[in-house]
Amino acid sequence: TQLLEQSPQFLSIQEGENLTVYCNSSSVFSSLQWYRQEPGEGPVLLVTVVTGGEVKKLKRLTFQFGDARKDSSLHITAAQPGDTGLYLCAGVRSGGYQKVTFGTGTKLQVIP
Amino acid sequence: DVKVTQSSRYLVKRTGEKVFLECVQDMDHENMFWYRQDPGLGLRLIYFSYDVKMKEKGDIPEGYSVSREKKERFSLILESASTNQTSMYLCASSTLLPVTNTGELFFGEGSRLTVL
Repeated sequence: TQLLEQSPQFLSIQEGENLTVYCNSSSVFSSLQWYRQEPGEGPVLLVTVVTGGEVKKLKRLTFQFGDARKDSSLHITAAQPGDTGLYLCAGVRSGGYQKVTFGTGTKLQVIP
Repeated sequence: DVKVTQSSRYLVKRTGEKVFLECVQDMDHENMFWYRQDPGLGLRLIYFSYDVKMKEKGDIPEGYSVSREKKERFSLILESASTNQTSMYLCASSTLLPVTNTGELFFGEGSRLTVL
C-alpha cells in the first residue's frame, strides 16, 4: 500500500514556467520532507516541514505543509534547467524512532 | 564530508542465488534504512534499524532480511533472489533531532541489482 501519492507523475515544462507538485495522504505525519534525486545519485534533502500550515521557502522553491499534516505541496517559480530531477516527498512518523515513507515521485524536466 | 557507501553499484545474479548488499556510514548515525526504488512507485521501505542488532520491518520486507552487527554497517540479504527483486536498492542513515524526532536521510548512490 502506497501511503503517499504524488501528482503529477511526470512534468515537462519550458524554462521560466511555474509549476506545483502535490503530495497527498490519508495518514497524519509528524513532519514531511522533500528530496530531489538526480540520475545516478541518491536523493538529497531539500526541506523539512513540521508544523501544520507551515510554509518554507528555498530560493524559487516554496513548500507548504497542510493544516491537518496529511498533505504537502512544492511550488517552483520560474523553473530552470537545473531544477530537472525526481522530486520525492517523504512522510515521517515517529514514536521513539524515525520511520520515513516516500511518495511515488514526480519526474520534472525543464527544457531550456 | 558525510558519506554513505554501498558496496556495489551494479550486480547481476541468477534466480535462487543468495545476495548480500552492504552499506557503511561514517556519521555515527543511529538509524539506518534499506529502500528499493522502482519507476512510478517511489522509494519503498524494506527494513530499518534504530540501533545495533535492532531491526524493524518496513512496508515490503518479504523475501529480504537484514543484519546490523555494528553501528556503522547495515546489510540487506536476499536469501534466494527472484526476478521480481530486480531493482535499485538505496541505503540511508539518519540521526534524530530532539523534539521533532526527525532527521535528514543521507543516501548512498544505490545498488542496481538485476536477477536473471
